[in-house]
Amino acid sequence: GAGVSQSPSNKVTEKGKDVELRCDPISGHTALYWYRQSLGQGLEFLIYFQGNSAPDKSGLPSDRFSAERTGGSVSTLTIQRTQQEDSAVYLCASSPWDRAGNTGELFFGEGSRLTVL
Amino acid sequence: GNSVTQMEGPVTLSEEAFLTINCTYTATGYPSLFWYVQYPGEGLQLLLKATKADDKGSNKGFEATYRKETTSFHLEKGSVQVSDSAVYFCALRSGGSYIPTFGRGTSLIVHP
Repeated sequence: GAGVSQSPSNKVTEKGKDVELRCDPISGHTALYWYRQSLGQGLEFLIYFQGNSAPDKSGLPSDRFSAERTGGSVSTLTIQRTQQEDSAVYLCASSPWDRAGNTGELFFGEGSRLTVL
Repeated sequence: GNSVTQMEGPVTLSEEAFLTINCTYTATGYPSLFWYVQYPGEGLQLLLKATKADDKGSNKGFEATYRKETTSFHLEKGSVQVSDSAVYFCALRSGGSYIPTFGRGTSLIVHP
């Protein structure tokens, strides 16, 4: 597809279970971001990947959260032992590079809504 | 650190009214500034941007001017439509970081 694709669009899970959220970025985009959108809280940065460089994990809220990006394309965000406060919409975005570096514009997917019961 | 402050919503207007959504920022260096829009059921998409002081970004009738002296990037539209109902996010990316910082978003509701 032409845009950023995320799956699942909705996920309901029980407290303590692990979940995986998938992001397929726009082809050719080397930068990939995960954000979390909670009600009334705006967008909270989680993790950033750029090409083959080590990811910037500075936004991950706890060691229950991890992410990987395979082959410089698809990314998976994993939340272990989910808690109710993890309930949110998880947004993935990708961004192209130009000769001057990252343009700054992000292209977002529609998000994965996670509900932890 | 970097931060973005937006006016609280929701902003409720009648069709054809004038819109202003305030955005102020704190940043190191000289940031690029952005407005993103999230229509119901859709992902965020870039609305407009400005990369240096006094630049004006514009798109779809919306405008915002990069004001370095007041560290502001207020979003304006002269005549809103029902189809403009959405959540608007102000964001910045400072020169030293590739990670944009977003405001909390402002919900706009336009009534016919």
